[in-house]
Amino acid sequence: GNSVTQMEGPVTLSEEAFLTINCTYTATGYPSLFWYVQYPGEGLQLLLKATKADDKGSNKGFEATYRKETTSFHLEKGSVQVSDSAVYFCALIPDNYGQNFVFGPGTRLSVLP
Amino acid sequence: SQTIHQWPATLVQPVGSPLSLECTVEGTSNPNLYWYRQAAGRGLQLLFYSVGIGQISSEVPQNLSASRPQDRQFILSSKKLLLSDSGFYLCAWCQGTGQETQYFGPGTRLLVL
Repeated sequence: GNSVTQMEGPVTLSEEAFLTINCTYTATGYPSLFWYVQYPGEGLQLLLKATKADDKGSNKGFEATYRKETTSFHLEKGSVQVSDSAVYFCALIPDNYGQNFVFGPGTRLSVLP
Repeated sequence: SQTIHQWPATLVQPVGSPLSLECTVEGTSNPNLYWYRQAAGRGLQLLFYSVGIGQISSEVPQNLSASRPQDRQFILSSKKLLLSDSGFYLCAWCQGTGQETQYFGPGTRLLVL
């Protein structure tokens, strides 16, 4: 079946540190891949997405590249801020019509000043 | 533009009482609608989804039920709440035409005492 694996954390970084949150997936065909962010007490917001191999999604300084060969979609940011503290979810939707989203367990990030 | 609303934002209910959570979407027609639950510090669990009025699919057996009385309205209900029903309930929608992004509401925090 389809699944998403990501480091659960928590990840604690100092402000301006480099961030990587690993995400790998299992799916047949060509799923679309997503990163969502959840700030405390709020719903999930789409952060970025990629729909085909080698695509790079980017938003707010975050980037992730769709790597078909390693079935990965790692999230990176060159310099994190305190305001980036949140839970980050990696997700996929399979390319078969009618399939639902599959979410990873989420990674909690805390950025200290 | 499309918006998604959930209410109430917060709810405290005694064990054994009924529940009704509401989700509405504006600015689109015939969306796919979803109910997720997020237990404290945990990932997302898909509870129900709907591809049309009156069409409900259940992902996990629960003492919860869902209904879609109108195209853009999705209701989560229970006749008798359990302690284990406590959590953060998220409604989401997507256009359902393919590998589409899901957009989430602000969530309802439910505490069952």
